[in-house]
Amino acid sequence: ETGVTQSPTHLIKTRGQQVTLRCSSQSGHNTVSWYQQALGQGPQFIFQYYREEENGRGNFPPRFSGLQFPNYSSELNVNALELDDSALYLCASSFDGGSYNSPLHFGNGTRLTVT
Amino acid sequence: GNSVTQMEGPVTLSEEAFLTINCTYTATGYPSLFWYVQYPGEGLQLLLKATKADDKGSNKGFEATYRKETTSFHLEKGSVQVSDSAVYFCALSVNNDMRFGAGTRLTVKP
Repeated sequence: ETGVTQSPTHLIKTRGQQVTLRCSSQSGHNTVSWYQQALGQGPQFIFQYYREEENGRGNFPPRFSGLQFPNYSSELNVNALELDDSALYLCASSFDGGSYNSPLHFGNGTRLTVT
Repeated sequence: GNSVTQMEGPVTLSEEAFLTINCTYTATGYPSLFWYVQYPGEGLQLLLKATKADDKGSNKGFEATYRKETTSFHLEKGSVQVSDSAVYFCALSVNNDMRFGAGTRLTVKP
């Protein structure tokens, strides 16, 4: 069973740039959620994709967008990067038919630093 | 709104000590409750869950009981080991909304 993998592991960008983070979900999972984790804080929900459609969104601006592909892998795109976007970005997959109540399987995250 | 408040850390214990990490929640509706753990250098992983009032989740010697009357889901372990050193996150899920607490760092010393 292949777990959740994220790439890259680390990334440094300049304010105003755009970034794309990638996630491969665990085999058999059809739902991907993205979280932002600031240092010393818990994960904050960005959005979830279920069967290639956005299935819920947290309190993040539209410059945070995503995609899910037919193989259930996913991308998180952030435009017009701000310094406060510096954080660990976590991807989590699950098989829940759109329900949020099934356990999440997390990747190790992408550490984004915006300078 | 929905939120989770958990005990601030860090918590430092000696091996074989008793552990309690407090977690309380606010939610509209009937949440499912979770404890996730993040070991050094690893991603978050589910430790245990409870989906309705009075349910007890348990795993690896850890337990937590869903207490609706006190809106709590405290994590306990009778005898901690050095290998339990990690960051522990309480979380809730309700009506398509998943919320995490800020995390509690536990260090267990031999």
